[in-house]
Amino acid sequence: DAMVIQNPRYQVTQFGKPVTLSCSQTLNHNVMYWYQQKSSQAPKLLFHYYDKDFNNEADTPDNFQSRRPNTSFCFLDIRSPGLGDAAMYLCATSRGDRGAWKGYTFGSGTRLTVV
Amino acid sequence: AQKVTQAQTEISVVEKEDVTLDCVYETRDTTYYLFWYKQPPSGELVFLIRRNSFDEQNEISGRYSWNFQKSTSSFNFTITASQVVDSAVYFCALSEDTGGFKTIFGAGTRLFVKA
Repeated sequence: DAMVIQNPRYQVTQFGKPVTLSCSQTLNHNVMYWYQQKSSQAPKLLFHYYDKDFNNEADTPDNFQSRRPNTSFCFLDIRSPGLGDAAMYLCATSRGDRGAWKGYTFGSGTRLTVV
Repeated sequence: AQKVTQAQTEISVVEKEDVTLDCVYETRDTTYYLFWYKQPPSGELVFLIRRNSFDEQNEISGRYSWNFQKSTSSFNFTITASQVVDSAVYFCALSEDTGGFKTIFGAGTRLFVKA
């Protein structure tokens, strides 16, 4: 089945130690997103790739970076994780030229713990 | 500015009861899209429905139904004869035609269905 896969499901990292989360998709969707969801809160968009074009949200901290080496893969890099970065990180994809109007397909998420 | 409000933080019902989850939105766009997503304990958000602003027809899918009313800027979700498996967090979301690839999520409503 076509899907969005996130690895790992759970990640524990040390305060200040760089960490990378990965996302892959078999849907051939041209747009990939990273959302941050803190406990009991709504998902918050960090950035997205439209094909190879990177689009950062204005309030996304510089500590968060992303790479998309090809259509299928997208990575979220947290350069120096702080305790406040502990959250569920959700990868999503969508297909469309105009926007997110068709809705997303989400991965299962990676729950990040910072110790 | 766009905004999605889910006033109900938590709802608890007994199995077989009907339950309605409320969603009120704000947007200046005339073309926009509304969504409902389900987030079970496993974490991934599952797409349930999309509605565009020009289609106010109510929709029924099995035990799920949606009531879209532009006059009150509401897009409410009803589960008929609730089941324990319906226990999850439900998010209402908005994507504007001029908003590019950004989707705004409400804070979510946590539904507990007790046996």
